[in-house]
Amino acid sequence: DIQMTQSPSFLSASVGDRVTINCKASQNINKYLDWYQQKLGEAPKLLIYNTNSLHTGIPSRFSGSGSGTDFTLTISSLQPEDVATYFCLQHNSGSWTFGGGTKLELK
Amino acid sequence: QVTLKESGPGILQPSQTLSLTCTFSGFSLSTYGMGVGWIRQPSGKGLEWLANIWWDDDKYYNPSLKNRLTISKDTSNNQAFLKITNVDTADTATYYCARIALTMMVPSFDYWGQGVMVTVSS
Repeated sequence: DIQMTQSPSFLSASVGDRVTINCKASQNINKYLDWYQQKLGEAPKLLIYNTNSLHTGIPSRFSGSGSGTDFTLTISSLQPEDVATYFCLQHNSGSWTFGGGTKLELK
Repeated sequence: QVTLKESGPGILQPSQTLSLTCTFSGFSLSTYGMGVGWIRQPSGKGLEWLANIWWDDDKYYNPSLKNRLTISKDTSNNQAFLKITNVDTADTATYYCARIALTMMVPSFDYWGQGVMVTVSS
């Protein structure tokens, strides 16, 4: 089974900051990684698919990068509405795995 | 417009079988490339992928739960189902269904239901 290690678990940043969240796969997953945003009390929402493709309607301040085992979600300029928990998801094989999540708060 | 809505028993007792239904609109599970997945989230914790079913009836399960899970679909009525046998308190969670769509042959959960809370308690 492929394990996903997400870091940090918790992140505090100020409006306007550049924020990065990382996911590391236990084996090569090529580019089969998505990022999801979950606001308090809501269902998760797709942000980025296939490592670096922005889902419809997602602001361009969100971007993704990486390949193989190491992946990064970047928010170029943090906005108040970005307060949420972020999850990565690998789907390299028939069995999919989420990362543990990163809770992002405003400083 | 794509929508999904989960339904379930709310509360059940240990050792019982949990039956969940995902009723969706705006797409068909008979269309090439479409799928539905089930994901759960215990209160205050992370997401756990459970199972996927595809338009061609291909099915995939979380290996750690595989012997307890059964996913199925009713294409005519736009529904997908998940059964979990022999539940215990660790299965208490919010359960989500989500549409899987292929974009440039790459899958992702692009639409999610609102989730349904399930409590296992004696």
